[in-house]
Amino acid sequence: GQNIDQPTEMTATEGAIVQINCTYQTSGFNGLFWYQQHAGEAPTFLSYNVLDGLEEKGRFSSFLSRSKGYSYLLLKELQMKDSASYLCAVRDQDTGGFKTIFGAGTRLFVKA
Amino acid sequence: DTEVTQTPKHLVMGMTNKKSLKCEQHMGHRAMYWYKQKAKKPPELMFVYSYEKLSINESVPSRFSPECPNSSLLNLHLHALQPEDSALYLCASSQEPAGMSGSRETQYFGPGTRLLVL
Repeated sequence: GQNIDQPTEMTATEGAIVQINCTYQTSGFNGLFWYQQHAGEAPTFLSYNVLDGLEEKGRFSSFLSRSKGYSYLLLKELQMKDSASYLCAVRDQDTGGFKTIFGAGTRLFVKA
Repeated sequence: DTEVTQTPKHLVMGMTNKKSLKCEQHMGHRAMYWYKQKAKKPPELMFVYSYEKLSINESVPSRFSPECPNSSLLNLHLHALQPEDSALYLCASSQEPAGMSGSRETQYFGPGTRLLVL
């Protein structure tokens, strides 16, 4: 089966750094996504990791360790507009093909 | 162009109605997806089409019927829905359906159709 865990909520201060962790268990791991979703809107893509290591893209970075079943999303220089839900999603491949499974999401509150 | 479009944006339907949701992408993507998302919950995968063929059906009730007329279009036909089917229905697409080690895959989501079943 598949299982994805991430914290339910986090609070951080504007200008600070926050790390959102995600642990997963899948049978046919084929990559991990991070998405940002503001309330009432569709998810928007942030990052995709399929190999171990850190991927940096502007203020956002994502890390993956396949052996540990672990990823994190690092947000630097937090802005108020970063208040949103952050979804960890794992791409799993099985006999039926592939599918993407989402974690429950982490609601991030950025305060002034 | 990294846009996935969906119509309509909002839909209200009765339990005896038949309606269709439409999704379109012109990025040359070969995989397209339907997700259902309830308020404050993560998206739940419903269907995956790879090269215009249905590759995954996540045990979705038959009152939801997907269709992929061509590589750019994905429809979701709705019939005899229940009030609990009210949700945001999201379409997404990605370049390559088959996972390849080291390949870069990004799912692009449309804005969604907000469905209310009365």
